[in-house]
Amino acid sequence: EVQLVESGGGLLKPGGSLRLSCAASGFTFSNAWMIWVRQTPGKGLEWVGRIKSKKDGETTDYAAPVKGRFTISRDDSKSTLYLQMNSLKTEDTAVYYCTKGHYTSGWLFDYWGQGTLVTVSS
Amino acid sequence: EIVLTQSPGTLSLSPGERATLSCRASQSVRSSYLAWYQQKPGQGPRLLIYGASSRATGIPDRFSGSGSGTDFTLTISRLEPEDFAMYYCQQYGNSLTFGGGTKVEIK
Repeated sequence: EVQLVESGGGLLKPGGSLRLSCAASGFTFSNAWMIWVRQTPGKGLEWVGRIKSKKDGETTDYAAPVKGRFTISRDDSKSTLYLQMNSLKTEDTAVYYCTKGHYTSGWLFDYWGQGTLVTVSS
Repeated sequence: EIVLTQSPGTLSLSPGERATLSCRASQSVRSSYLAWYQQKPGQGPRLLIYGASSRATGIPDRFSGSGSGTDFTLTISRLEPEDFAMYYCQQYGNSLTFGGGTKVEIK
């Protein structure tokens, strides 16, 4: 059974930093493209960033609102995905989901975690 | 950016009834790269349909997707109690965007 378990969310002030983790199991993590997606009541679902598998170059892509502030990385030996968030803004407040890319497209998400809440407020 | 508009916002139905959800795109979705997700409170979304009409692994056959171009439909043939939830469409043919969702609630 595929499982994705996010952790690391919390409450912090604007300008702060936070690192989210996602522990994966039930599939070959090293072969998967992994994506972070966030959800807010106002903007709905929004992709944050993606990291390809090592064999596909382990390259990353970021959505415009987070580019230059967020960094995605992975540790295949631990089957863990990370999201380093710096220079946080109030508009980054959201539930952050770790997702696994589908075999037909890296922009299609066949498994999601339960999410972790990040609240940025002064 | 392709904007996806879902309708209706809320659908009030009884168990056993048929649900028809619409997703309209602001421009044609390349290669019918359109997906549907179900989300229940406190949970991450679950992939139901991809490629406009292919069911994801483990999805019951009461869920079906159709459409092409700019108009897509998710149909639930007979609502089960566990089907009352939020539903989102997503296009992934041109970057990716999500629709605003349709809530299927018990009448």
